[in-house]
Amino acid sequence: RKEVEQDPGPFNVPEGATVAFNCTYSNSASQSFFWYRQDCRKEPKLLMSVYSSGNEDGRFTAQLNRASQYISLLIRDSKLSDSATYLCVVNNGGMRFGAGTRLTVKP
Amino acid sequence: GAGVSQSPSNKVTEKGKDVELRCDPISGHTALYWYRQSLGQGLEFLIYFQGNSAPDKSGLPSDRFSAERTGGSVSTLTIQRTQQEDSAVYLCASSQVLAGGRDTQYFGPGTRLTVL
Repeated sequence: RKEVEQDPGPFNVPEGATVAFNCTYSNSASQSFFWYRQDCRKEPKLLMSVYSSGNEDGRFTAQLNRASQYISLLIRDSKLSDSATYLCVVNNGGMRFGAGTRLTVKP
Repeated sequence: GAGVSQSPSNKVTEKGKDVELRCDPISGHTALYWYRQSLGQGLEFLIYFQGNSAPDKSGLPSDRFSAERTGGSVSTLTIQRTQQEDSAVYLCASSQVLAGGRDTQYFGPGTRLTVL
């Protein structure tokens, strides 16, 4: 079983849609959690950290469920510029990346 | 300030040759990671250096792969006797190690390796 698992997608949604990505992790001792974004042929960049209480940054909301070892990312009012691959990342004494979920937002 | 830099940006080599890829992390970052990403695939963890601790080599795919980090700064990833399946983008990332694991990784632009 992979340490971090994500639905690979692709997710194809129209502008303005709400889309949610899920991620599960296997190591219950994992300390911290993140979502990274990777544009085509670019390096990954931090999108947001994920806190136990859940956190929001503009149109983006991240949730963590430690009991179920589950992380989510919700994007509201999606924009064309949100098209990218979204990587779930778990730190359990080393950063471990999921394979990513590809999102395409269409006009 | 300067980000993570990697060199070369592109490397084309013949099967069986050795290659060295270099990473210059952000100054002051004690953690350094190497990843590999094949076309259309996710990041594959290779190796992790943290300060003076023994590196976590659990992701290295074979003994043809090795990495060093000299003086706690620059790192070199060496692939011996390259194979076509080694073709990928090799990404380096560095971070400060913060309490509670709240590190933020900063990635370099990667080295695109093509083995003919």
